[in-house]
Amino acid sequence: GDSVTQMEGPVTLSEEAFLTINCTYTATGYPSLFWYVQYPGEGLQLLLKATKADDKGSNKGFEATYRKETTSFHLEKGSVQVSDSAVYFCALSDASNQAGTALIFGKGTTLSVSS
Amino acid sequence: GAGVSQSPRYKVAKRGQDVALRCDPISGHVSLFWYQQALGQGPEFLTYFQNEAQLDKSGLPSDRFFAERPEGSVSTLKIQRTQQEDSAVYLCASSRGLAANNEQFFGPGTRLTVL
Repeated sequence: GDSVTQMEGPVTLSEEAFLTINCTYTATGYPSLFWYVQYPGEGLQLLLKATKADDKGSNKGFEATYRKETTSFHLEKGSVQVSDSAVYFCALSDASNQAGTALIFGKGTTLSVSS
Repeated sequence: GAGVSQSPRYKVAKRGQDVALRCDPISGHVSLFWYQQALGQGPEFLTYFQNEAQLDKSGLPSDRFFAERPEGSVSTLKIQRTQQEDSAVYLCASSRGLAANNEQFFGPGTRLTVL
């Protein structure tokens, strides 16, 4: 079945450092790919998405490119801030799944940024 | 506008008790999803509604779990004879349409602890 694998954390960085969180996926169809973020004490919220190969999603300085050839959707940010400290989830939605458009999540990566 | 709301936010149950968890989706959203998130894990799909129809319940872990959305708006997830392994955060999400690339909006979750 479909699955998402993302790098395990925690990831600890200093402010202004470069961030990469790796995400790879397995899917039977042509999935849409997402990054969700969960800030401390808050609910999950969409950070960015890409719906087809070579699309780049971007938001708040974060970027991720849908790479079909490597089945990857790595999250990057050039200069992290303390306020980026959160748990990041990579997810896919595959319309060919029995579960309709349900999201399949990775296990999450905790990012901690210090000043 | 109002987002997805869930109640109660926290629930403590004794093993064997029945619980009911409520989800109020964003008004007009057709699709509604329930997910279960164990500690340190990503959310896992439980069940999916399109309006009042439960189109997929393949993620429900046992027949003790039951979900309904009788008028195509508010949804209730019921767990009968709770067990310790049911302890988790239960997330509800809604989306406007049916497409796999539609954003899902998540509620804050209900944290269930079974003693």
